[in-house]
Amino acid sequence: ETGVTQTPRHLVMGMTNKKSLKCEQHLGHNAMYWYKQSAKKPLELMFVYSLEERVENNSVPSRFSPECPNSSHLFLHLHTLQPEDSALYLCASSQEGSSGGVGETQYFGPGTRLLVL
Amino acid sequence: QKEVEQNSGPLSVPEGAIASLNCTYSDRGSQSFFWYRQYSGKSPELIMFIYSNGDKEDGRFTAQLNKASQYVSLLIRDSQPSDSATYLCAVYSGAGSYQLTFGKGTKLSVIP
Repeated sequence: ETGVTQTPRHLVMGMTNKKSLKCEQHLGHNAMYWYKQSAKKPLELMFVYSLEERVENNSVPSRFSPECPNSSHLFLHLHTLQPEDSALYLCASSQEGSSGGVGETQYFGPGTRLLVL
Repeated sequence: QKEVEQNSGPLSVPEGAIASLNCTYSDRGSQSFFWYRQYSGKSPELIMFIYSNGDKEDGRFTAQLNKASQYVSLLIRDSQPSDSATYLCAVYSGAGSYQLTFGKGTKLSVIP
């Protein structure tokens, strides 16, 4: 596997279900991100982990719970979601402290298309 | 609040023409600027980054940055139907910030 992988690629869940999204990066990066992409809206940053510590949480509802057990893996645990949470959830990674003034070059995984019924 | 503005389009150009995509940003201290291409139903794919004023060329793509005007653009020469996608402009504020601020994207259609 190369780059950033995400599973599952598609997920349909009811509002009472609990599910988890998984992301794995094979780039040796030390920062990982969760984004939400809804139709006609800019990419919304949800969480940032740097060196396995959460460094940013952009006012995300508690029904979304991230977990970063190591620098290569990132999870997003979902419970009691709402229909408006249906979106494409993207994971990205980057190398903190990149030289050459190109910090924060982020590479995206293929995304998980989530539908909440 | 940091903002990145793009014309949502769609921008239609004939095959072989030059497509010009524009982006403005509000944070004057922004350091790095990125263009991503996103095909429908797919994830964003990095095309280019630029951090110095002027032009940067990579194949058919040229990124242009004017920090004084807080403006960054992407030119695509000899546009191909396969270039039809949504192009996202993203801005990085610099050290201490982990956040890339994205625009809503410009949808480009290249007409054969």
